[in-house]
Amino acid sequence: QKEVEQNSGPLSVPEGAIASLNCTYSDRGSQSFFWYRQYSGKSPELIMSIYSNGDKEDGRFTAQLNKASQYVSLLIRDSQPSDSATYLCAVNKAGNNRKLIWGLGTSLAVNP
Amino acid sequence: DTEVTQTPKHLVMGMTNKKSLKCEQHMGHRAMYWYKQKAKKPPELMFVYSYEKLSINESVPSRFSPECPNSSLLNLHLHALQPEDSALYLCASCPGTGNTDTQYFGPGTRLTVL
Repeated sequence: QKEVEQNSGPLSVPEGAIASLNCTYSDRGSQSFFWYRQYSGKSPELIMSIYSNGDKEDGRFTAQLNKASQYVSLLIRDSQPSDSATYLCAVNKAGNNRKLIWGLGTSLAVNP
Repeated sequence: DTEVTQTPKHLVMGMTNKKSLKCEQHMGHRAMYWYKQKAKKPPELMFVYSYEKLSINESVPSRFSPECPNSSLLNLHLHALQPEDSALYLCASCPGTGNTDTQYFGPGTRLTVL
């Protein structure tokens, strides 16, 4: 089992729809969870961080964390073509705050 | 301000060249990172400096040599690279003071080794 797993996609949604991105992780000791967006040829850009169970909302983005199920998700409401990118889930390595374990990323395409 | 800057943006070098990548942040962060990223892969950690001391070295070949001259600067010295070292090299920083540190990335240096 990979330490952090994401569906590779591509995930295709129409403009204005809700895009749902999922991530599971294997280490129960992980405490910090991050979603980064990466456009082709660019560097990762932090979208959301979440540390406690439940939902965290920021504009059109909502992160959801369920530590019991070892699951973290990102919802993008009112998806725009500019949201088309690869979304990377990253989880801190338990016992080492300095190290992130990365998923392989989910490619999202928002169709006008 | 969550800006990390990197220079150069692009670098082409031969296998016998020596070059350096530079990274700078003025956010007062005390941890800085070098990552390597290949196309369609996640970032791969190379080195971590915490309070200007090397704290993580992910068994990177010695042709990559990191340096942290002060708390704001991070260099990556390159020597005798191989074509397979061509990649996007990313610098990141985080506050380095808590249990939930968030990493912020610079724009990267696109390196091509001929």
